Amino acid sequence: GEDVEQSLFLSVREGDSSVINCTYTDSSSTYLYWYKQEPGAGLQLLTYIFSNMDMKQDQRLTVLLNKKDKHLSLRIADTQTGDSAIYFCAGGGYNKLIFGAGTRLAVHP
Amino acid sequence: DAGVTQSPTHLIKTRGQHVTLRCSPISGHKSVSWYQQVLGQGPQFIFQYYEKEERGRGNFPDRFSARQFPNYSSELNVNALLLGDSALYLCASSSPGGRNNEQFFGPGTRLTVL
Repeated sequence: GEDVEQSLFLSVREGDSSVINCTYTDSSSTYLYWYKQEPGAGLQLLTYIFSNMDMKQDQRLTVLLNKKDKHLSLRIADTQTGDSAIYFCAGGGYNKLIFGAGTRLAVHP
Repeated sequence: DAGVTQSPTHLIKTRGQHVTLRCSPISGHKSVSWYQQVLGQGPQFIFQYYEKEERGRGNFPDRFSARQFPNYSSELNVNALLLGDSALYLCASSSPGGRNNEQFFGPGTRLTVL
């Protein structure tokens, strides 16, 4: 069945780059998404990539997609304390999203 | 424009009771989806409704039901509550054919079952 896997925890120093990884099994997803969830809050769409793209850059965010290995990554440049949150990758479309368990990003001085 | 709104924000129930959660989509959005997020996990898809019809259902028992009204708002009902139903329930609205098929999420309703 459909499955999305992520590493659970990442700790980085403020100012460094963060890389959050995700693997997925469903290759039929038209888009792949990265969502951010802060404590006690809902989900905020950070960025997305169309399934026929390899890379997308959006200010401090870079998404890489390796379709052969079904691997998706999110790079956050110049990570700030405000980036501390849980990051979810998700595949699917407007009718149904399949989420990973989330990666908790901790940013320390 | 207002985003997706959900009510109530928090709710405490006891086992065996039933609960109704409400969601108002973004104006102009005709599709509403419901997700359950258990603590420490990612959201899991429960239902999707479009134009008042069920268009998708996740792997949840029949105790879970939903409906969509003519104004596109939606209710999620859960009967015979179990302790394991304690979770954050998220509603998302979308517009078919919209930009990157994006789903816009509300802040959620946190349900605690005692």
